Amino acid sequence: DAGVTQSPTHLIKTRGQQVTLRCSPKSGHDTVSWYQQALGQGPQFIFQYYEEEERQRGNFPDRFSGHQFPNYSSELNVNALLLGDSALYLCASSFLSISGNTIYFGEGSWLTVV
Amino acid sequence: KQEVTQIPAALSVPEGENLVLNCSFTDSAIYNLQWFRQDPGKGLTSLLLIQSSQREQTSGRLNASLDKSSGRSTLYIAASQPGDSATYLCAGASQGGGADGLTFGKGTHLIIQP
Repeated sequence: DAGVTQSPTHLIKTRGQQVTLRCSPKSGHDTVSWYQQALGQGPQFIFQYYEEEERQRGNFPDRFSGHQFPNYSSELNVNALLLGDSALYLCASSFLSISGNTIYFGEGSWLTVV
Repeated sequence: KQEVTQIPAALSVPEGENLVLNCSFTDSAIYNLQWFRQDPGKGLTSLLLIQSSQREQTSGRLNASLDKSSGRSTLYIAASQPGDSATYLCAGASQGGGADGLTFGKGTHLIIQP
């Protein structure tokens, strides 16, 4: 049973560019959430997708956007990259209809903005 | 707004010791609390999930407790081993399935000395 998979694992972008990160949820899961983890910090919630729509959003600017596809996979897009966007981006999946279910995380995508 | 604090920020102990990691949260209306392990440069691995109606959960050498009234959770690690060295994060959910996003602490960086 494949867990949560993310791509790419590492990437370097220049300030002002745009980036797309991808996530495939754990088999059977219908909900995908994205988190940003800066060095030495806990992950911060960006947003969550369910039934191809953004359900909840954390305190992140509109430069951060996403999409969920019919197969439940998801993309995170960040426009006009800033140096401060350098972080580990984590994707998490869960099954929304089951209360109290465990949330599973992928290995993350390391983004460096130079 | 939920805030999660973890103490201590770092801990170094000899192999074989029993140890306790602490997590405190500000909103007692917590739905569940989850403990994660993160190895350097890696994603998060779920260790234990405690529902708000539960007092504790156990898995092998790990035991996690939850006291909603005091806003505290502890992770107890018995007979620590060098392989337990990692960062341990606790996260609270205000809705089932992490629907509004998990709120994380900054983690406790644990080193077990051989």
